[in-house]
Amino acid sequence: GAVVSQHPSWVICKSGTSVKIECRSLDFQATTMFWYRQFPKQSLMLMATSNEGSKATYEQGVEKDKFLINHASLTLSTLTVTSAHPEDSSFYICSVPARVGETQYFGPGTRLLVL
Amino acid sequence: QKEVEQNSGPLSVPEGAIASLNCTYSDRVSQSFFWYRQYSGKSPELIMSIYSNGDKEDGRFTAQLNKASQYVSLLIRDSQPSDSATYLCAANSGGGADGLTFGKGTHLIIQP
Repeated sequence: GAVVSQHPSWVICKSGTSVKIECRSLDFQATTMFWYRQFPKQSLMLMATSNEGSKATYEQGVEKDKFLINHASLTLSTLTVTSAHPEDSSFYICSVPARVGETQYFGPGTRLLVL
Repeated sequence: QKEVEQNSGPLSVPEGAIASLNCTYSDRVSQSFFWYRQYSGKSPELIMSIYSNGDKEDGRFTAQLNKASQYVSLLIRDSQPSDSATYLCAANSGGGADGLTFGKGTHLIIQP
Protein backbone atom coordinates (compact mmCIF):
# COMPACT_ATOMS: atom_id res chain seq x y z
CA GLY A 1 0.00 0.00 0.00
CA ALA A 2 0.92 3.66 -0.30
CA VAL A 3 3.42 4.97 2.20
CA VAL A 4 3.05 8.63 1.31
CA SER A 5 0.01 10.50 0.03
CA GLN A 6 -0.31 13.91 -1.59
CA HIS A 7 -3.31 16.13 -2.12
CA PRO A 8 -4.39 17.38 -4.54
CA SER A 9 -3.08 15.20 -7.35
CA TRP A 10 -3.44 18.04 -9.78
CA VAL A 11 -4.49 21.66 -9.69
CA ILE A 12 -5.11 24.40 -12.23
CA CYS A 13 -5.09 27.95 -10.97
CA LYS A 14 -4.93 31.51 -12.22
CA SER A 15 -1.73 33.51 -12.07
CA GLY A 16 -1.39 35.35 -8.76
CA THR A 17 -3.28 32.87 -6.63
CA SER A 18 -1.79 30.68 -3.91
CA VAL A 19 -1.89 26.90 -3.95
CA LYS A 20 -1.43 24.57 -0.98
CA ILE A 21 -0.16 21.01 -1.42
CA GLU A 22 -0.34 18.47 1.39
CA CYS A 23 2.03 15.57 1.96
CA ARG A 24 1.11 12.88 4.46
CA SER A 25 3.23 10.05 5.80
CA LEU A 26 0.83 7.14 6.17
CA ASP A 27 2.95 4.41 7.71
CA PHE A 28 5.26 6.17 10.12
CA GLN A 29 6.07 9.41 11.81
CA ALA A 30 8.47 11.69 9.98
CA THR A 31 10.40 14.51 11.58
CA THR A 32 11.81 15.25 8.14
CA MET A 33 10.16 15.35 4.74
CA PHE A 34 11.50 16.58 1.45
CA TRP A 35 9.94 18.59 -1.36
CA TYR A 36 11.08 18.16 -4.96
CA ARG A 37 10.07 19.79 -8.21
CA GLN A 38 10.28 18.25 -11.67
CA PHE A 39 9.87 20.21 -14.90
CA PRO A 40 8.99 18.37 -18.13
CA LYS A 41 11.81 16.11 -19.34
CA GLN A 42 13.98 17.16 -16.42
CA SER A 43 15.03 15.32 -13.32
CA LEU A 44 13.82 15.88 -9.79
CA MET A 45 15.36 18.86 -8.04
CA LEU A 46 15.32 19.13 -4.27
CA MET A 47 13.58 22.33 -3.23
CA ALA A 48 13.58 22.16 0.54
CA THR A 49 13.72 20.02 3.63
CA SER A 50 10.69 20.21 5.86
CA ASN A 51 11.47 19.88 9.57
CA GLU A 52 8.84 19.15 12.18
CA GLY A 53 8.80 21.86 14.81
CA SER A 54 11.34 24.11 13.13
CA LYS A 55 11.91 26.13 9.97
CA ALA A 56 12.34 24.48 6.64
CA THR A 57 15.75 24.40 4.97
CA TYR A 58 15.72 25.67 1.40
CA GLU A 59 18.09 24.77 -1.41
CA GLN A 60 20.04 27.47 -3.15
CA GLY A 61 17.90 29.41 -5.59
CA VAL A 62 14.56 28.47 -4.01
CA GLU A 63 12.68 31.46 -2.62
CA LYS A 64 11.53 30.73 0.91
CA ASP A 65 8.94 33.51 0.83
CA LYS A 66 7.39 32.09 -2.32
CA PHE A 67 7.38 28.44 -1.32
CA LEU A 68 6.08 28.32 2.23
CA ILE A 69 6.56 25.05 4.07
CA ASN A 70 4.81 24.06 7.27
CA HIS A 71 5.52 20.78 9.02
CA ALA A 72 2.55 20.84 11.35
CA SER A 73 2.80 17.33 12.71
CA LEU A 74 4.88 14.18 12.44
CA THR A 75 2.73 13.00 9.55
CA LEU A 76 1.92 16.18 7.63
CA SER A 77 3.91 18.73 5.68
CA THR A 78 2.39 21.40 3.45
CA LEU A 79 3.90 23.38 0.61
CA THR A 80 2.19 26.61 -0.36
CA VAL A 81 3.09 28.20 -3.65
CA THR A 82 2.29 31.86 -3.09
CA SER A 83 1.36 34.20 -5.93
CA ALA A 84 1.84 31.43 -8.45
CA HIS A 85 2.97 32.29 -11.97
CA PRO A 86 3.07 30.19 -15.15
CA GLU A 87 6.78 29.43 -14.60
CA ASP A 88 5.81 27.68 -11.35
CA SER A 89 3.89 25.09 -13.35
CA SER A 90 5.58 21.82 -12.53
CA PHE A 91 5.26 18.41 -10.90
CA TYR A 92 5.72 18.76 -7.13
CA ILE A 93 6.66 15.60 -5.26
CA CYS A 94 7.29 15.04 -1.58
CA SER A 95 9.27 12.23 -0.02
CA VAL A 96 9.62 10.68 3.39
CA PRO A 97 12.76 8.92 4.60
CA ALA A 98 12.24 5.44 5.98
CA ARG A 99 12.64 4.87 9.67
CA VAL A 100 15.50 2.46 9.05
CA GLY A 101 18.19 3.34 6.55
CA GLU A 102 18.16 6.14 4.09
CA THR A 103 15.55 4.95 1.63
CA GLN A 104 13.05 7.66 0.67
CA TYR A 105 9.51 6.95 -0.34
CA PHE A 106 7.88 9.34 -2.74
CA GLY A 107 4.34 10.58 -2.80
CA PRO A 108 2.33 10.31 -6.03
CA GLY A 109 3.02 13.96 -6.86
CA THR A 110 0.95 17.05 -7.53
CA ARG A 111 0.80 18.48 -10.99
CA LEU A 112 0.38 22.27 -10.93
CA LEU A 113 -0.65 24.27 -13.95
CA VAL A 114 -0.75 28.04 -13.57
CA LEU A 115 -2.61 29.86 -16.29
CA GLN B 1 28.27 21.04 -5.82
CA LYS B 2 26.84 17.56 -5.81
CA GLU B 3 26.26 16.12 -9.28
CA VAL B 4 24.95 12.83 -10.56
CA GLU B 5 25.46 12.10 -14.24
CA GLN B 6 23.56 9.68 -16.44
CA ASN B 7 23.32 9.12 -20.17
CA SER B 8 19.84 10.31 -21.08
CA GLY B 9 19.42 7.73 -23.85
CA PRO B 10 17.14 6.48 -25.17
CA LEU B 11 18.65 3.06 -24.55
CA SER B 12 16.96 0.43 -26.66
CA VAL B 13 17.24 -3.22 -25.59
CA PRO B 14 15.54 -6.30 -27.08
CA GLU B 15 13.08 -8.17 -24.87
CA GLY B 16 14.81 -10.87 -22.86
CA ALA B 17 18.24 -9.22 -23.05
CA ILE B 18 20.20 -7.52 -20.27
CA ALA B 19 19.78 -3.76 -19.89
CA SER B 20 22.76 -1.96 -18.40
CA LEU B 21 22.32 1.50 -16.89
CA ASN B 22 25.22 3.59 -15.65
CA CYS B 23 25.69 6.54 -13.34
CA THR B 24 28.60 8.56 -11.96
CA TYR B 25 28.61 10.93 -9.02
CA SER B 26 30.89 13.78 -8.06
CA ASP B 27 30.53 14.03 -4.27
CA ARG B 28 32.89 11.59 -2.56
CA VAL B 29 30.98 12.12 0.69
CA SER B 30 27.97 10.30 -0.78
CA GLN B 31 27.32 7.08 1.07
CA SER B 32 23.94 5.91 -0.18
CA PHE B 33 22.82 5.29 -3.73
CA PHE B 34 19.46 4.51 -5.21
CA TRP B 35 17.86 3.53 -8.47
CA TYR B 36 14.33 4.69 -9.05
CA ARG B 37 12.02 3.87 -11.94
CA GLN B 38 9.71 6.57 -13.20
CA TYR B 39 6.90 6.02 -15.66
CA SER B 40 5.68 9.00 -17.64
CA GLY B 41 3.52 11.27 -15.49
CA LYS B 42 4.16 9.29 -12.31
CA SER B 43 6.39 9.77 -9.31
CA PRO B 44 9.55 7.69 -8.86
CA GLU B 45 9.38 4.24 -7.32
CA LEU B 46 12.35 2.65 -5.60
CA ILE B 47 14.01 -0.24 -7.44
CA MET B 48 17.25 -0.76 -5.52
CA SER B 49 19.37 0.83 -2.84
CA ILE B 50 23.08 0.14 -2.35
CA TYR B 51 25.42 1.37 0.34
CA SER B 52 28.65 -0.65 0.07
CA ASN B 53 31.03 -1.58 -2.72
CA GLY B 54 30.15 -4.60 -4.79
CA ASP B 55 27.00 -6.14 -6.17
CA LYS B 56 23.53 -6.34 -4.72
CA GLU B 57 20.95 -8.55 -6.35
CA ASP B 58 17.16 -8.46 -6.05
CA GLY B 59 15.25 -10.62 -8.47
CA ARG B 60 16.02 -9.53 -12.03
CA PHE B 61 17.86 -6.42 -10.80
CA THR B 62 21.51 -6.10 -9.80
CA ALA B 63 23.01 -2.87 -8.53
CA GLN B 64 26.76 -2.37 -8.56
CA LEU B 65 28.73 0.25 -6.63
CA ASN B 66 32.37 1.23 -6.99
CA LYS B 67 33.16 4.10 -4.64
CA ALA B 68 36.76 4.40 -5.83
CA SER B 69 35.52 5.11 -9.36
CA GLN B 70 32.42 6.94 -8.10
CA TYR B 71 30.32 4.72 -10.30
CA VAL B 72 26.95 3.06 -9.85
CA SER B 73 25.19 0.76 -12.27
CA LEU B 74 21.96 -1.17 -12.59
CA LEU B 75 21.55 -4.37 -14.57
CA ILE B 76 18.13 -5.63 -15.55
CA ARG B 77 18.10 -9.26 -16.65
CA ASP B 78 15.43 -10.80 -18.87
CA SER B 79 14.16 -7.35 -19.81
CA GLN B 80 10.42 -7.04 -20.25
CA PRO B 81 8.41 -4.39 -22.15
CA SER B 82 7.02 -3.30 -18.77
CA ASP B 83 10.56 -2.29 -17.79
CA SER B 84 10.38 0.52 -20.35
CA ALA B 85 10.62 3.70 -18.26
CA THR B 86 13.06 6.37 -17.16
CA TYR B 87 15.56 5.17 -14.59
CA LEU B 88 16.84 7.73 -12.14
CA CYS B 89 20.08 7.36 -10.24
CA ALA B 90 20.21 9.21 -6.92
CA ALA B 91 22.73 9.78 -4.16
CA ASN B 92 22.75 11.26 -0.70
CA SER B 93 25.30 11.59 2.07
CA GLY B 94 23.59 9.01 4.23
CA GLY B 95 21.69 9.17 7.49
CA GLY B 96 18.40 10.23 5.96
CA ALA B 97 19.01 13.88 6.84
CA ASP B 98 19.82 15.00 3.32
CA GLY B 99 17.57 15.07 0.34
CA LEU B 100 18.57 13.14 -2.73
CA THR B 101 20.56 14.42 -5.68
CA PHE B 102 19.17 12.92 -8.86
CA GLY B 103 20.65 12.35 -12.26
CA LYS B 104 18.61 13.38 -15.28
CA GLY B 105 17.60 9.80 -15.87
CA THR B 106 18.08 7.25 -18.65
CA HIS B 107 15.10 6.51 -20.86
CA LEU B 108 15.00 2.74 -21.39
CA ILE B 109 12.99 1.15 -24.18
CA ILE B 110 12.50 -2.61 -24.25
CA GLN B 111 11.65 -3.74 -27.75
CA PRO B 112 9.20 -6.67 -27.97
